[in-house]
Amino acid sequence: QQQVKQSPQSLIVQKGGISIINCAYENTAFDYFPWYQQFPGKGPALLIAIRPDVSEKKEGRFTISFNKSAKQFSLHIMDSQPGDSATYFCAASYAGANSKLTFGKGITLSVRP
Amino acid sequence: KAGVTQTPRYLIKTRGQQVTLSCSPISGHRSVSWYQQTPGQGLQFLFEYFSETQRNKGNFPGRFSGRQFSNSRSEMNVSTLELGDSALYLCASSAIASPGELFFGEGSRLTVL
Repeated sequence: QQQVKQSPQSLIVQKGGISIINCAYENTAFDYFPWYQQFPGKGPALLIAIRPDVSEKKEGRFTISFNKSAKQFSLHIMDSQPGDSATYFCAASYAGANSKLTFGKGITLSVRP
Repeated sequence: KAGVTQTPRYLIKTRGQQVTLSCSPISGHRSVSWYQQTPGQGLQFLFEYFSETQRNKGNFPGRFSGRQFSNSRSEMNVSTLELGDSALYLCASSAIASPGELFFGEGSRLTVL
């Protein structure tokens, strides 16, 4: 049972464009929703995270939009750059066990120059 | 501040052997989590240790075990290795104030022949 589902599976965007990655979750007990970025040969790195009491959070070029009723959240990367080319994972965790993350399968983003 | 350090970075074992992987968390971080990353299953939570006690556990067989020392360093052990244990094993640490903000190491790449 896949509790966190990402879409699309891969994404190609032109430099300067907007990259949008979607994530859907099943368990309403989740209360913490981070996005991680992973480059080849490296471990995942936290990009941005949100909790259900907020509908949107922005940090630089990265924005999380959260829709609690639809059980969905998305990552928007504005002004996408070739350096953003990486694998992106959404994740979710429960209150009191925020280190126990359930990850999506990941999507590969390629930003063309 | 030094990041999360994992050793060894690469290792090759044969079926039936056992392996021990080591993780040194970021200084001051007392929580250490372990994840398995494979192309097919993605990132899966193994277990989390805090103050030398296992605080959370994922859905892995008992062949997977771990421990944490008084200096917060952690080890994980896999006994009776199977081909399917070939994976990247990632360690992550987090601070008490930010339990969901995981800082990952670069991982230990295990190949089982």
